[in-house]
Amino acid sequence: NAGVTQTPKFQVLKTGQSMTLQCAQDMNHEYMSWYRQDPGMGLRLIHYSVGAGITDQGEVPNGYNVSRSTTEDFPLRLLSAAPSQTSVYFCASRRGAISGNTIYFGEGSWLTVV
Amino acid sequence: SQQGEEDPQALSIQEGENATMNCSYKTSINNLQWYRQNSGRGLVHLILIRSNEREKHSGRLRVTLDTSKKSSSLLITASRAADTASYFCATDVGSNFGNEKLTFGTGTRLTIIP
Repeated sequence: NAGVTQTPKFQVLKTGQSMTLQCAQDMNHEYMSWYRQDPGMGLRLIHYSVGAGITDQGEVPNGYNVSRSTTEDFPLRLLSAAPSQTSVYFCASRRGAISGNTIYFGEGSWLTVV
Repeated sequence: SQQGEEDPQALSIQEGENATMNCSYKTSINNLQWYRQNSGRGLVHLILIRSNEREKHSGRLRVTLDTSKKSSSLLITASRAADTASYFCATDVGSNFGNEKLTFGTGTRLTIIP
């Protein structure tokens, strides 16, 4: 049981490039989400999904795309990277969609856009 | 500003002492959660307290919630070097299916001095 797995751990992109951050969970959780963490800002929700085929926007969705074709995977796509997207990205999952269930986080992906 | 704001931003104490961190928030909540983040790692769920609860314990952790003051505190008793980490509160205002409203504060950086 690996929990929530994110790849890559570190990535440097040039402005305008696109890339996908991968997230997979093996706990059969319905709910998955992506956050970004910036200094002094806490974690901010980018996108989330309550099940395969269902996604919705969070607090800071601009510049990011997501899809949920399977229960296990929830990739985050940066369409045209900008320096403002330099951040640490965390994927998270939880059982069901009910508020209060424990959220499990991945180890993070450090992204630098130059 | 953030829904949840921790105080203090940083705290250094001697090993064995108790550590207290506070979280204030602005709107009514369903529950409040505390997380720990070790440097360079993902967040780990510590404890959840629901809006109709006033106090909760888990091992050396004690959480209180005062909904009239919109504040919560996390007490770590008999601190250990391994408690050195950042601690975040997260408020949850959504309970409907697909309604993710978990908002994180900016965190308290706790350092335990051996």
